[in-house]
Order: sequence, then structure tokens, then C-alpha cells
Amino acid sequence: DTGVSQDPRHKITKRGQNVTFRCDPISEHNRLYWYRQTLGQGPEFLTYFQNEAQLEKSRLLSDRFSAERPKGSFSTLEIQRTEQGDSAMYLCASSRQGAGGELFFGEGSRLTVL
Amino acid sequence: AQSVSQHNHHVILSEAASLELGCNYSYGGTVNLFWYVQYPGQHLQLLLKYFSGDPLVKGIKGFEAEFIKSKFSFNLRKPSVQWSDTAEYFCAVNLRGGGADGLTFGKGTHLIIQP
Repeated sequence: DTGVSQDPRHKITKRGQNVTFRCDPISEHNRLYWYRQTLGQGPEFLTYFQNEAQLEKSRLLSDRFSAERPKGSFSTLEIQRTEQGDSAMYLCASSRQGAGGELFFGEGSRLTVL
Repeated sequence: AQSVSQHNHHVILSEAASLELGCNYSYGGTVNLFWYVQYPGQHLQLLLKYFSGDPLVKGIKGFEAEFIKSKFSFNLRKPSVQWSDTAEYFCAVNLRGGGADGLTFGKGTHLIIQP
């Protein structure tokens, strides 16, 4: 499978714990995006990388959220001190630079905070 | 800030009925427009896109959309739906040349096709 893969697919955690999600983009794509989707809403843009550079992070929801892409390949999204309001689907997408915004999405990582 | 409005959150149709899902965006600059579909249990997939040129664009599975610049609209159509079209449909816009290059999505329309 050469699509975008995300891990884990489901994560259940207790409030206050830290969680980390991983995304492996399509190999030839240099841009990687993180979105959050809650019930009844469309995906909400969080941050994006071009290669290893994080070019937009002002839309991360709070300072508890951080993302990395250290070698320009896979990326991680970490949520520290989780809250019940963080429960959502976290989507990763990738694209080629200059693709005009056409994104290829993974299946998402569903977070449930108890 | 740009936003995307989808008029219908839930649509129920019978097979062979015609479909039109509305989408309006608020940004007045030059944009790229997309429709994505999410079938039950699957990831978001691109249905069709508009960058420039002919405002009537055709996508996969018989879908088409028309960009009307004066109305800031990009409505999705299909002349005859099938049961397999049951899915969530999202309209999205991207600011052409914008720094963030991230898509802004509408809230989605849940389409149910009854056999």
C-alpha cells in the first residue's frame, strides 16, 4: 500500500496523559498536513510541513499540541496533558509542492479521552 | 478568514434520483475548489477539483461540479445516484498562492441513497 498511513488507528487514554500519533506520507510527497475532525464537522487544519520545515503552526489548538517531521519523511503529532475536548479524529494528509492544494489523506487516528 | 458553507447536512434520496449539493465560499480572491468524499469506513478521497479554465468540471463516478464565480459557488451534481454513493461529501477551498496552503473544509453533507 503506497498511500498515507497513520498509527495508531484508535487510542483511548485518560485525561492528563500524553499521546503521540504517527503519519507516514506518500513517499514522493514533500508536504505533510495535520487536520482534526470532530463529529458533524469538516476537517480543521492544524499545521503543515514542507520537507522538515514546519511552515504553518499558528492554527494548532493550544500549546499542548506540537508536531515534528525531523527528517522530512514521517511526522508525529503530540498532545500533552490531554483533555476530554481533545477527543476527535486526527487526520494526516500529504501532497506534492505545487499541487494546488490537492491532498491525499490517511485513514486517521481516533482519540478518545476518558 | 475564508469559510465554506454546505447548505444541506443530511440528504436522503432514492436510487436514480438526481443530486445537487450546494457549496458556497466566502473568500473573494482566487481560489482552488475541491469536493472530497468519504465512504463509510474509508479515508477522504478526492472526487473532483477546479483550478482554472472550464468552470464545469467532471470527476470520478459520474460526478460533476460547476464553478460560478459571481455566486462564489461550487455545487456538486450527479444526474442519477446509486446506492454506492452513500457517503459524506465535503467541499473545500484553497487560497491560491496562500502561505498556509491548507484546505478549508465545509461541515459536510451526509448523503444516504435508499435502494
